[in-house]
Amino acid sequence: DQQVKQNSPSLSVQEGRISILNCDYTNSMFDYFLWYKKYPAEGPTFLISISSIKDKNEDGRFTVFLNKSAKHLSLHIVPSQPGDSAVYFCAASARGSQGNLIFGKGTKLSVKP
Amino acid sequence: GAGVSQTPSNKVTEKGKYVELRCDPISGHTALYWYRQSLGQGPEFLIYFQGTGAADDSGLPNDRFFAVRPEGSVSTLKIQRTERGDSAVYLCASSFSPLEKQYFGPGTRLTVT
Repeated sequence: DQQVKQNSPSLSVQEGRISILNCDYTNSMFDYFLWYKKYPAEGPTFLISISSIKDKNEDGRFTVFLNKSAKHLSLHIVPSQPGDSAVYFCAASARGSQGNLIFGKGTKLSVKP
Repeated sequence: GAGVSQTPSNKVTEKGKYVELRCDPISGHTALYWYRQSLGQGPEFLIYFQGTGAADDSGLPNDRFFAVRPEGSVSTLKIQRTERGDSAVYLCASSFSPLEKQYFGPGTRLTVT
């Protein structure tokens, strides 16, 4: 039973356009959400996070939106760059869990020049 | 400052053998996590240390898996009587405290033949 779901295994966008990566969760106890980026043969790299008390967090080209009622979050990258091509993982945790993260299966983003 | 390091980067072992995987966290990080990533999946939580003690080992799949962190810094994940299903990338992460963002190492790719 997957608690964090990324239903799109892959996404392809043109350089300069917006990339939107989606994530759904089922556990209402989750109150902290993160996005990690992973290149081949490297560990995941933290990208951006959002607490459940917010509905939006922005950091440069990256914005995460949280819709608690729908148990849905999305990562927007604008403008997309070829260097953004990687696997993106959505992760969630509940405060009582001491921080261990529950990850989705990831979405492979390809940004074409 | 160095990031999280893991050794070895690759380990091939025969079914039934014992293996040790090492993690060197970022200096000063008190929280240390082990995750396992199988092909096509996101990282899956195994165990979390706060200081020297295992605060949450609920993710360890069975009693063949054990981890230690005797001095509150370096951690070793130990797998006894390895099985082919143990083949995966084992990731280590550390953070200043349990609720801070986690920094991942590059992982150890374990292959059990």
